[in-house]
Amino acid sequence: QSALTQPRSVSGSPGQSVTISCTGTSSDVGGYNYVSWYQQHPGKAPKLMIYDVSKRPSGVPDRFSGSESGNTASLTISGLQAEDEADYYCCSYAGSYTWVFGGGTKLTVL
Amino acid sequence: EVQVVESGGGLVQPGGSLRLSCAASGFTLSSYSMNWVRQAPGKGLEWVSYISSSSSTIYYADSVKGRFTISRDNAKNSLYLQMNSLRDEDTAVYYCARADTLNFDYWGQGTLVTVSS
Repeated sequence: QSALTQPRSVSGSPGQSVTISCTGTSSDVGGYNYVSWYQQHPGKAPKLMIYDVSKRPSGVPDRFSGSESGNTASLTISGLQAEDEADYYCCSYAGSYTWVFGGGTKLTVL
Repeated sequence: EVQVVESGGGLVQPGGSLRLSCAASGFTLSSYSMNWVRQAPGKGLEWVSYISSSSSTIYYADSVKGRFTISRDNAKNSLYLQMNSLRDEDTAVYYCARADTLNFDYWGQGTLVTVSS
């Protein structure tokens, strides 16, 4: 159960777009269409932003989108806003009711 | 409103035990699988354990297998995590998370477990 690989940090200016990658293996990301993304502000609980690779829960702005190619999933945030500054974690189902998370990416809005 | 609230965290010596609880409200607990996820100070998220809605299926991360036990009482709308033989590396905020199919859709605010002598 090795962690998924995410960049440690990304940054962008308000209004710009940023993409966070999440690389796994054929045993997790590439093997199942169950990648999810979580936003976590300091001292707060994680919040589901994207599930099943590209679906958005009710209430999540359509500025957030997800995709996947092979063993790599991506989260794209367009029209960056100050409140998007947070840590973002990807997560993949890994079979047999087990999951693996990425190490997290700190998004800075310049 | 869907809510899950963890409790039971605290300071415990290495080798000790602790039992965490998670109280669910705003939804029918018996209809959902549940999980525990933890986060060490300044670190990322780590999935810990899964329990199906009827308790018939249970899984653990290798890091806690044989030491932690997940359970639930649907009649009391509660989820539990019994943690034995605690180690320094078990120090973390422990989150209770509802599973919607194979994603975690609602999380509690977490309870801090500190393992230290």
